[in-house]
Amino acid sequence: EAQVTQNPRYLITVTGKKLTVTCSQNMNHEYMSWYRQDPGLGLRQIYYSMNVEVTDKGDVPEGYKVSRKEKRNFPLILESPSPNQTSLYFCASRWDRVTLEQFFGPGTRLTVL
Amino acid sequence: AQSVTQLDSQVPVFEEAPVELRCNYSSSVSVYLFWYVQYPNQGLQLLLKYLSGSTLVKGINGFEAEFNKSQTSFHLRKPSVHISDTAEYFCAVSEHRGGSNYKLTFGKGTLLTVNP
Repeated sequence: EAQVTQNPRYLITVTGKKLTVTCSQNMNHEYMSWYRQDPGLGLRQIYYSMNVEVTDKGDVPEGYKVSRKEKRNFPLILESPSPNQTSLYFCASRWDRVTLEQFFGPGTRLTVL
Repeated sequence: AQSVTQLDSQVPVFEEAPVELRCNYSSSVSVYLFWYVQYPNQGLQLLLKYLSGSTLVKGINGFEAEFNKSQTSFHLRKPSVHISDTAEYFCAVSEHRGGSNYKLTFGKGTLLTVNP
């Protein structure tokens, strides 16, 4: 089944404790991105990647890092999480930078205490 | 820069009633337009999209939307809703540019609640 998977689905952590949210897609998509969803703000792009080893900032990159060492994986790293990063995070992928239909993962709900 | 405004944050309706979810966009160039749906505790899935051609676009689950360039709108409609349509709906826009991102910009969402 074609899908985007994320782990963990739920995470409660404390300020400053490094964490990684994994994202994997099995569709051989070139383009992947991370969004955060906050009430009343909709979805905002954090980082995106157009291919292996090619990443760039989205609208709200502060406090986040990403890497793209393999085509299928695009982990989101929070080196020192803070309470304002409490949010619902979505990974998404699509074929390439031109194809516009994105496939979304199920989401990761992160709480930073 | 592109932007999207969803005019209603919440829309409550009764089952079998018609519904319209409103979306306006702002862009200095031509755009692609999308509606996504998010069911409770799930990710987003594409409902329908306008890329070019006919301005009336039909999507899944009986939804349709009409692109109106003069009014910069892309309203979503369904003639008769079901309880199962209860979800949050997001309008999104992407500009026709030669840039590298073709970024989707999302609206803030409209929560559609269908009551029996």
